[in-house]
Amino acid sequence: DQQVKQNSPSLSVQEGRISILNCDYTNSMFDYFLWYKKYPAEGPTFLISISSIKDKNEDGRFTVFLNKSAKHLSLHIVPSQPGDSAVYFCAASASNRGNEKLTFGTGTRLTIIP
Amino acid sequence: DAGVTQSPTHLIKTRGQHVTLRCSPISGHKSVSWYQQVLGQGPQFIFQYYEKEERGRGNFPDRFSARQFPNYSSELNVNALLLGDSALYLCASSLVLVGAHGYTFGSGTRLTVV
Repeated sequence: DQQVKQNSPSLSVQEGRISILNCDYTNSMFDYFLWYKKYPAEGPTFLISISSIKDKNEDGRFTVFLNKSAKHLSLHIVPSQPGDSAVYFCAASASNRGNEKLTFGTGTRLTIIP
Repeated sequence: DAGVTQSPTHLIKTRGQHVTLRCSPISGHKSVSWYQQVLGQGPQFIFQYYEKEERGRGNFPDRFSARQFPNYSSELNVNALLLGDSALYLCASSLVLVGAHGYTFGSGTRLTVV
């Protein structure tokens, strides 16, 4: 049972344009959502997070939007840069259960075209 | 400041053998978690330890075990290796137990079972 879904395995975006990565979840107990970025031969790197009490969080070029009613979140990167080419994982946790376990999606490979 | 350190980086084992993977968290981090990432999938939660006690266990067979030492480093042990255990094993550390933000991952150990 895939509780966190990233339905787009890959995405190609022109440099300078906006990249939008999507994520859906099914578990209504999730109250914290995170995006991680992963380069080959490295571990995932934390990018940005959002609590379920918010609908938007912004950090520089990265913005995460949360739509609780639709159980959907998205990561916007603007403007996209070549160094953004990586695999992006959406993750969720039910931290109010005292459990820090992260449930990850299957990832979206983002390629920025120069 | 050293990040999360995992050893070894790569290893090859034969079916039926046993393997021990090691993780040193960031200095001051008391929580260590283990994740398994199979090719093409997102990381899957295996264990979480905090203050040397098991705080969470994922849906993995009893062949998988772990422990955390007084210096907060951790070992993941896998017995009776199967071909399906071939994966990237990731260790993550965090400062506190509750709250999913602040996870820092190591670069992982690539295990190949032949």
